[in-house]
Amino acid sequence: IAGITQAPTSQILAAGRRMTLRCTQDMRHNAMYWYRQDLGLGLRLIHYSNTAGTTGKGEVPDGYSVSRANTDDFPLTLASAVPSQTSVYFCASSPGQGAGTGELFFGEGSRLTVL
Amino acid sequence: GQNIDQPTEMTATEGAIVQINCTYQTSGFNGLFWYQQHAGEAPTFLSYNVLDGLEEKGRFSSFLSRSKGYSYLLLKELQMKDSASYLCAVVDSNYQLIWGAGTKLIIKP
Repeated sequence: IAGITQAPTSQILAAGRRMTLRCTQDMRHNAMYWYRQDLGLGLRLIHYSNTAGTTGKGEVPDGYSVSRANTDDFPLTLASAVPSQTSVYFCASSPGQGAGTGELFFGEGSRLTVL
Repeated sequence: GQNIDQPTEMTATEGAIVQINCTYQTSGFNGLFWYQQHAGEAPTFLSYNVLDGLEEKGRFSSFLSRSKGYSYLLLKELQMKDSASYLCAVVDSNYQLIWGAGTKLIIKP
């Protein structure tokens, strides 16, 4: 089934550990995004990539890094996890360049708990 | 600052009609999206409005008034499967999406 695949779906992590959330899409979309979703707050953009080889910072980038070596993959890395990074993380993609240019397609989410 | 306001929670009865409002104050406006998100699942696209007026799509309709900074999502003939959160998102002048916190809709039989 075409779409976006995220892994892992759920993870419990000790504070200070390094963690990479994986995201792969097979729709050949130009742009990809990482959001976090916390109770009572709207989705917040962490990092984005408008095209392979480029990345940009979103609203809440601190403590996170991304790379976009090719069109399909957009991993998100937490270099040294902290409890405030406990959240549900969604990867998304869009055909156009920019989250506001059209419909976003979301992965199923990765629930991360940092203890 | 940029702000999107939606009610936190609403309750409606199966078969009825419900209107979910969204008001916004953003730096510029280039459209408004509505997404549906079932508990524990990913958001999925419902509608997009950029011009004033009503867009109808089956049981769901979305309305926009740019002069009032206001939109609503209208759900008719409610079904139990419509129980979900409904997210409003505005495209600002930089074509970035600003998200509301979402409205949790509870459908009762």
